[in-house]
Amino acid sequence: DAGVIQSPRHEVTEMGQEVTLRCKPISGHNSLFWYRQTMMRGLELLIYFNNNVPIDDSGMPEDRFSAKMPNASFSTLKIQPSEPRDSAVYFCASSLLLNYGYTFGSGTRLTVV
Amino acid sequence: RKEVEQDPGPFNVPEGATVAFNCTYSNSASQSFFWYRQDCRKEPKLLMSVYSSGNEDGRFTAQLNRASQYISLLIRDSKLSDSATYLCVVFMDTGRRALTFGSGTRLQVQP
Repeated sequence: DAGVIQSPRHEVTEMGQEVTLRCKPISGHNSLFWYRQTMMRGLELLIYFNNNVPIDDSGMPEDRFSAKMPNASFSTLKIQPSEPRDSAVYFCASSLLLNYGYTFGSGTRLTVV
Repeated sequence: RKEVEQDPGPFNVPEGATVAFNCTYSNSASQSFFWYRQDCRKEPKLLMSVYSSGNEDGRFTAQLNRASQYISLLIRDSKLSDSATYLCVVFMDTGRRALTFGSGTRLQVQP
């Protein structure tokens, strides 16, 4: 199993640009989570999906952030327009259960200048 | 108040030492508890679950005190390879219903 696959690994973009992060969960996992990690705030849950349906997006910072899961094998997190304070590592994770066994991808390190 | 609180450290210990990390959680509805390990610039990985009766996995022992809302991790005979950040994690079956992570405690084992 290839695990959770995220792309790109690194992204450097200018303020105001659109950024799209991608995630392929483990096949058969029905829950997908987007987390953001910063030194100041640690690992924060942004949004999660169950069976491709968004369940809780209360962690999404503001309307500039949106996430989709068009099918069981793909999800995107989009930031438009990006701002320097969005600089962080964004992790995608998938699991069979909501309360156990999250497998994380390697993350996307985003820098907005 | 943060839902999961940990001492950020760093804990600097010599090889072979025993070290303990503590964590407190604010929501008494928390149902499941875990320790994750995160190496520098890597993703978090599950280290072990934490059960009410306490549990052990080799050199690692985890304990849960529901009355005090307190979780601990004990590492015996520390190895250089144990150097990492240890994340305390809880799951609440109310509200967001997903894993909530503490900010982590950094451990540095020195030769």
